[in-house]
Amino acid sequence: GDSVTQMEGPVTLSEEACLTINCTYTATGYPSLFWYVQYPGEGLQLLLKATKADDKGSNKGFEATYRKETTSFHLEKGSVQVSDSAVYFCALSGGYSTLTFGKGTMLLVSP
Amino acid sequence: NAGVTQTPKFQVLKTGQSMTLQCAQDMNHNSMYWYRQDPGMGLRLIYYSASEGTTDKGEVPNGYNVSRLNKREFSLRLESAAPSQTSVYFCASSERRVDNSPLHFGNGTRLTVT
Repeated sequence: GDSVTQMEGPVTLSEEACLTINCTYTATGYPSLFWYVQYPGEGLQLLLKATKADDKGSNKGFEATYRKETTSFHLEKGSVQVSDSAVYFCALSGGYSTLTFGKGTMLLVSP
Repeated sequence: NAGVTQTPKFQVLKTGQSMTLQCAQDMNHNSMYWYRQDPGMGLRLIYYSASEGTTDKGEVPNGYNVSRLNKREFSLRLESAAPSQTSVYFCASSERRVDNSPLHFGNGTRLTVT
């Protein structure tokens, strides 16, 4: 079945550092790929998405490129802020109704 | 604009007790979902309702039942709670196919079963 593997956290960075959170997937067909973010005490919210190979999703300075050849969708940001501290989830949609989530990666950014 | 509202926010149950988690959305979405979130496990789908009048099992449905009461409301029932059901439960909704429209999540219900 479908699965998503993310790097384990926590990832700890200083403000203005570069961020990469790795995500790889296993799926049949051509899934859509997503990054969701969860701030403390809240539910998840969509950060960005890509629906086909070589698409780049971007939002709030975050980017991720759908790489079919490496089955990856790594999340990147050039300069993180304290307010980016959250848990980040990679997810895929292989069909009509449901998403498969990774286990989440906690990001902690210090001033 | 409330979005997805879950009640209660916190609940403590004793083993064997029953309870219903309530969820309502005001976005006129067709699809609704129940997930549980456990440390180191990410989010796992319990049940979903692709449209009003239909429900389907997800990855971890055992010990749960659901009711899609109308287009707005989707409840999750634990008939006989077990410590393994201690978790944070999230309800979500989407307008249509999840690959074309985002999931909107509530803020969760933290359930402890002793």
